[in-house]
Amino acid sequence: EVQLVESGGGLVQPGGSLRLSCAASGFTFSSYEMNWVRQAPGKGLEWVSYISSTGRTIYYADSVKGRFTISRDNAKNSLYLQMNSLRAEDTAVYYCAMRGDYWGQGTLVTVSS
Amino acid sequence: DIVMTQTPLSLSVTPGQPASISCKSSQSLLHSDGKTYLYWYLQKPGQSPQLLIYEVSNRFSGVPDKFSGSGSGTDFTLKISRVEAEDVGVYYCMQSIHLWTFGQGTKVEIK
Repeated sequence: EVQLVESGGGLVQPGGSLRLSCAASGFTFSSYEMNWVRQAPGKGLEWVSYISSTGRTIYYADSVKGRFTISRDNAKNSLYLQMNSLRAEDTAVYYCAMRGDYWGQGTLVTVSS
Repeated sequence: DIVMTQTPLSLSVTPGQPASISCKSSQSLLHSDGKTYLYWYLQKPGQSPQLLIYEVSNRFSGVPDKFSGSGSGTDFTLKISRVEAEDVGVYYCMQSIHLWTFGQGTKVEIK
């Protein structure tokens, strides 16, 4: 059974940093591209970042480019999102997704003073 | 950027009746590999999105056949043949021909 478990969310002040993790199991992690998607409270879905199976190809949404960094450790079956210079508008539930097929339950990031 | 536009934004359906959601993209989603990269998701209340349909008309594993997708190019439709209480939630279309973009979502409720 495919499982994706996000962690690392929490309350952070504007300008602060957080590192999200996504632990994957139930599939060959190293064979699949991964994505981060976020959902602000009461809002729709917004794609954040993509990483290829090898980690060599990476893309970001314009809204996070230069502030967020996606990475993966295929030996640990883990995906990461380093978020710096956080803003109030980054407040959202962050989901990791295996391609578009399976999604985790999400982790809430709240940026507030 | 590719813009995805869904209509309607909300739908109230009598149990057992059909429902239809439209999704239009600002550019063709037909790739040179012959595939059309249009997906449909359902986000039930309090849950993460779940994939229903991939590449326009293919039901994902475990998705009941009351869900069907159709369309081509820039115009797509999701149909639910008989809406039941378990189908309530927000339906999103998504394109992945160039990065990912989602529609605004269509909230489906039961009358």
